[in-house]
Amino acid sequence: GAVVSQHPSRVICKSGTSVKIECRSLDFQATTMFWYRQFPKQSLMLMATSNEGSKATYEQGVEKDKFLINHASLTLSTLTVTSAHPEDSSFYICSSRGPADTQYFGPGTRLTVL
Amino acid sequence: GQSLEQPSEVTAVEGAIVQINCTYQTSGFYGLSWYQQHDGGAPTFLSYNALDGLEETGRFSSFLSRSDSYGYLLLQELQMKDSASYFCAVRDAADSWGKLQFGAGTQVVVTP
Repeated sequence: GAVVSQHPSRVICKSGTSVKIECRSLDFQATTMFWYRQFPKQSLMLMATSNEGSKATYEQGVEKDKFLINHASLTLSTLTVTSAHPEDSSFYICSSRGPADTQYFGPGTRLTVL
Repeated sequence: GQSLEQPSEVTAVEGAIVQINCTYQTSGFYGLSWYQQHDGGAPTFLSYNALDGLEETGRFSSFLSRSDSYGYLLLQELQMKDSASYFCAVRDAADSWGKLQFGAGTQVVVTP
């Protein structure tokens, strides 16, 4: 399968700061990428669909001004958590769309907001 | 809307066989996927069924019955490394980008 990387793998920040998470597809061009968050022992919750060269499509209940997504190239999508608060602490995972209904996931970023 | 149901946890011993069932309700259906996720790790793709029947990949097999809106993942010759969460997923029929909806996940615990 395709290789997707995420950076950073872990980040700890103070409340009120912004954090940028990068998601890269390393061996193919990803027109569509997805961003998820996952709380412990829970399922993956889709936050938004990121399409190269256009605005992201956000899921209901996800604040687009708080979770800024940019997909400026076919290999890079970024998620910026603005003015982070402790309740934003979570595991954030990106994925790229593969053939059929497959998705290739990045290793995830664990965000802790103090 | 769409919904998927799968058991929350299954415990089995090494060498055993485990079957994880998944029932789904969806307005349109493309196929049923299965993903494995170890604690702290990323989900990895296991299998995809678009047509009825059994797909076998090594120790893991996946089955689909579209008429019953039902599928299962079969884990054979269980190994300790198979302890993980397993998610079934269906594609959002109303979405053209390939969005998936995931079940709540089944935690498989393999004991010695």
